[in-house]
Amino acid sequence: SQKIEQNSEALNIQEGKTATLTCNYTNYSPAYLQWYRQDPGRGPVFLLLIRENEKEKRKERLKVTFDTTLKQSLFHITASQPADSATYLCALDYYNAGNMLTFGGGTRLMVKP
Amino acid sequence: DADVTQTPRNRITKTGKRIMLECSQTKGHDRMYWYRQDPGLGLRLIYYSFDVKDINKGEISDGYSVSRQAQAKFSLSLESAIPNQTALYFCATSGGHGVGYTFGSGTRLTVV
Repeated sequence: SQKIEQNSEALNIQEGKTATLTCNYTNYSPAYLQWYRQDPGRGPVFLLLIRENEKEKRKERLKVTFDTTLKQSLFHITASQPADSATYLCALDYYNAGNMLTFGGGTRLMVKP
Repeated sequence: DADVTQTPRNRITKTGKRIMLECSQTKGHDRMYWYRQDPGLGLRLIYYSFDVKDINKGEISDGYSVSRQAQAKFSLSLESAIPNQTALYFCATSGGHGVGYTFGSGTRLTVV
């Protein structure tokens, strides 16, 4: 079965630096890969989506890359702020899975002032 | 009003009791989902529905049932709650492939 690996250890960085989070998966590549932000006790919030034929996607301070050869996506937050502190989840969307997302366990990001 | 509303927000119930978690959405989407989140295990799919007449089991459906009362409403039931069903439950809706999910705020369920 598909496994999705995100670093379970928290990532601590200084305000203003770039945060880079990793999502690795096994087996075959998804049609889409999505990233969500989750704050404690709240539901995940959709951030960005990248298609299997796209290498990179940007939205404001966010950048996502997708390497189907490495079976990996990287999620970058530039000029990080304390308000970016949250857990970030990656999710895989396969055409033959009826738009059911499979989620990774998430990585907690802490941005210190 | 939120796009996806879940009730209740918190619930404590006793082992063996029947409990229903409710979800309604105003996005107008056909697709709705119930996920469960446990620390260290991420989000796992319980049931999903692509329209009122289409309901499917997810990865961990044992001990749960669902009802799709209307396009906008999708409820999750625990027929006889047990302590290992203590978790955070999320309802979500989507417009299809290539579209992000919209999640509710979740229901924190504790079975004692």
